[in-house]
Amino acid sequence: EDQVTQSPEALRLQEGESSSLNCSYTVSGLRGLFWYRQDPGKGPEFLFTLYSAGEEKEKERLKATLTKKESFLHITAPKPEDSATYLCAVQAGGGGFKTIFGAGTRLFVKA
Amino acid sequence: DAGITQSPRHKVTETGTPVTLRCHQTENHRYMYWYRQDPGHGLRLIHYSYGVKDTDKGEVSDGYSVSRSKTEDFLLTLESATSSQTSVYFCAISVVRGQGSGRNEQFFGPGTRLTVL
Repeated sequence: EDQVTQSPEALRLQEGESSSLNCSYTVSGLRGLFWYRQDPGKGPEFLFTLYSAGEEKEKERLKATLTKKESFLHITAPKPEDSATYLCAVQAGGGGFKTIFGAGTRLFVKA
Repeated sequence: DAGITQSPRHKVTETGTPVTLRCHQTENHRYMYWYRQDPGHGLRLIHYSYGVKDTDKGEVSDGYSVSRSKTEDFLLTLESATSSQTSVYFCAISVVRGQGSGRNEQFFGPGTRLTVL
């Protein structure tokens, strides 16, 4: 069964304190792994897609990496505006582009 | 934001009443999805569509039906709403990157908060 597990459930950081969020997955034939940011009361905002082990992508203070079993979202020198819930999702091969989401990591960055 | 709108944005209804949520997109994408989001469960797929009149079930489809009579509109119907269907509902579309590559990205609408009393 395809599954996505994110850890930790919540993470509290001081401004400037770098850290990483983890996404462990099991999927039959990974087509892609996605990271989203979600602010309260809003829809998920697309951040990255990673397609193969070893791939990395960056956007401002965020960097996503991928191995065959997990992905990390590294946050370098976070700011309070980075506070949000970060969602990880995987897509297996097959029709319909069906996507399985993790429960998310709530990130709090204090000034 | 892929031009996705959802209506209504908020709705309160009573148990046993029918409810229809609408998702509208402006860019003629083929694939559309309905998810629900509940605390502790993340986003779960209800139904999806891969073209006009072509739909299929997701992991939590019981109690829901969908219809897609036009490319731009995907409707989610709760035939007889129950309290367990109180949730936030998100519509999404897949933007396919390159024919035959399988590479795609999903973009989400703003959500509909549904409360069933």
